[in-house]
Amino acid sequence: EAGVAQSPRYKIIEKRQSVAFWCNPISGHATLYWYQQILGQGPKLLIQFQNNGVVDDSQLPKDRFSAERLKGVDSTLKIQPAKLEDSAVYLCASSLAPLAGTYNEQFFGPGTRLTVL
Amino acid sequence: GENVEQHPSTLSVQEGDSAVIKCTYSDSASNYFPWYKQELGKRPQLIIDIRSNVGEKKDQRIAVTLNKTAKHFSLHITETQPEDSAVYFCAASIRGGGADGLTFGKGTHLIIQP
Repeated sequence: EAGVAQSPRYKIIEKRQSVAFWCNPISGHATLYWYQQILGQGPKLLIQFQNNGVVDDSQLPKDRFSAERLKGVDSTLKIQPAKLEDSAVYLCASSLAPLAGTYNEQFFGPGTRLTVL
Repeated sequence: GENVEQHPSTLSVQEGDSAVIKCTYSDSASNYFPWYKQELGKRPQLIIDIRSNVGEKKDQRIAVTLNKTAKHFSLHITETQPEDSAVYFCAASIRGGGADGLTFGKGTHLIIQP
């Protein structure tokens, strides 16, 4: 089974520039997550989609971050404009849709390492 | 919201010895507690998880214990091997993957000394 795919793997930009990341989840996974992992810390949830609808974006800095999952499959995360503190690895994860009484594993992609100079 | 504390931040053990990593959580509604292993430059991978209706779970050399009253859970690795060297993250969620995102601890860097 193919895993979660992300691109690009690395990105270096100047502060105030824009950047976009792409994620393709595991086939059949209705739920998609974007996490931000700052060096030396655990991943922090930014946004969760169920199909093409947003379930939780309470920790997404909406003044500069946006995300979409228009057809309920691939997703893009955008930062505009970027700040120095946005330097991190951006991880995409996916899981099966929730069913009552089940706890589905989240599968992570390889991440995109963003450096903001 | 949920807050997960993880200790220690670094743990060095001799090969063959046991390692224990501890986590506490704040939200009594949390019901799902996975542990992820992340090797340098790689993606986090699930190694074991436990649900709130279970006190302990084992998988070969790895075990996890959960104390819901005290709101803490621990990862135990026995007979450690060099390939166990990595960063380990605990996490908590109310309804588990597919329904909720995970709240992660800050990680424990496990070093296995030869």
